Amino acid sequence: EPEVTQTPSHQVTQMGQEVILRCVPISNHLYFYWYRQILGQKVEFLVSFYNNEISEKSEIFDDQFSVERPDGSNFTLKIRSTKLEDSAMYFCASSGVGMEYEQYFGPGTRLTVT
Amino acid sequence: AQKITQTQPGMFVQEKEAVTLDCTYDTSDQSYGLFWYKQPSSGEMIFLIYQGSYDEQNATEGRYSLNFQKARKSANLVISASQLGDSAMYFCAMREGFSGGYNKLIFGAGTRLAVHP
Repeated sequence: EPEVTQTPSHQVTQMGQEVILRCVPISNHLYFYWYRQILGQKVEFLVSFYNNEISEKSEIFDDQFSVERPDGSNFTLKIRSTKLEDSAMYFCASSGVGMEYEQYFGPGTRLTVT
Repeated sequence: AQKITQTQPGMFVQEKEAVTLDCTYDTSDQSYGLFWYKQPSSGEMIFLIYQGSYDEQNATEGRYSLNFQKARKSANLVISASQLGDSAMYFCAMREGFSGGYNKLIFGAGTRLAVHP
């Protein structure tokens, strides 16, 4: 069964460093998303991406964040200068045309900022 | 204002019994969708079931069914014949409207379910 994959599973970084979280969405999906979940809290929407541009972004997704689809398979989230409060689980999700109601999540990347 | 409310922070159920996890939502859109996801202790988010606002029938997927009461704005998840592996966090989520394909999900705070042998 096709699945969304994410790398790395866990990333530890120092405050102020740049991190890139990688995702490979399901191959025939066209809509991509990033969500985050701070430990013990609800899952929060960050950004949606379609046709090589951002469709919508939340207030959390400030200038420190960016997304990119550098090739036909990868979808990345970059945090330019990490803060302690960026420590969270980051989930990538994707959905397909005609099946937009089914959003499949990757296993997540746990980001720890020290 | 809370869009998705899950009033049960924790629930427990005996193995093989049925359990209902509550979810109420708030939207003024006519077209919306409701989702349930399972998050085991390993952290991944597993899609369980979806209900569209125009769907006449309650959604079912194996042992999962969604008790959709539109007038009450509730979308409770029913798990029949609970198994030990059902112990996890369960999130209710909603997409509002239909924005031409992409749909951000708004999540509730979750309910932690413990299944006892």
